[in-house]
Amino acid sequence: KAGVTQTPRYLIKTRGQQVTLSCSPISGHRSVSWYQQTPGQGLQFLFEYFSETQRNKGNFPGRFSGRQFSNSRSEMNVSTLELGDSALYLCASSSASSATEAFFGQGTRLTVV
Amino acid sequence: TQLLEQSPQFLSIQEGENLTVYCNSSSVFSSLQWYRQEPGEGPVLLVTVVTGGEVKKLKRLTFQFGDARKDSSLHITAAQPGDTGLYLCAGYNAGNNRKLIWGLGTSLAVNP
Repeated sequence: KAGVTQTPRYLIKTRGQQVTLSCSPISGHRSVSWYQQTPGQGLQFLFEYFSETQRNKGNFPGRFSGRQFSNSRSEMNVSTLELGDSALYLCASSSASSATEAFFGQGTRLTVV
Repeated sequence: TQLLEQSPQFLSIQEGENLTVYCNSSSVFSSLQWYRQEPGEGPVLLVTVVTGGEVKKLKRLTFQFGDARKDSSLHITAAQPGDTGLYLCAGYNAGNNRKLIWGLGTSLAVNP
């Protein structure tokens, strides 16, 4: 069974640009959650999608958005990038209808310069 | 707001030593998970504990869930360099909008 796949692995963007990250969950998993990880803040929850609907949302500005497609693949978008958005962005999929055990992808390392 | 506090934050030991890391909260969780994360990679699930007082073993790793389901510990026996990584605990409570609550992690370095 293939794991969670995130693309791209690395990205370098300039302040003010926008970026789209992609996540393909484990086959059969319908829940996809996104996290931002930085050394000082740890894992910060961005949002969770289940069956194409955003089910939970963290405390991030509206520049951070996401969506989920009918095949459970998910994308997140960050507009008007800021230097502070540099982080490892992780996607996790879960099989249950509630967010219990999370299976993570390798992440996308975003650097904003 | 539910919080999970992990201690110690950093730990550097020699190969062969034993260690224990802790995950504490004032809140009750219906389950708690431990993950290990290597640099540049996503966290990998090690174990889930659901019953108060539960002990689970994974080779040289022993996980315990507190009786009150508010805390957990991870004990590693005879640590090896391959155990190096960031150990994260995450608590789940169905009443908390079904979100996982994450600790900041314990960064472990095992020196050969």
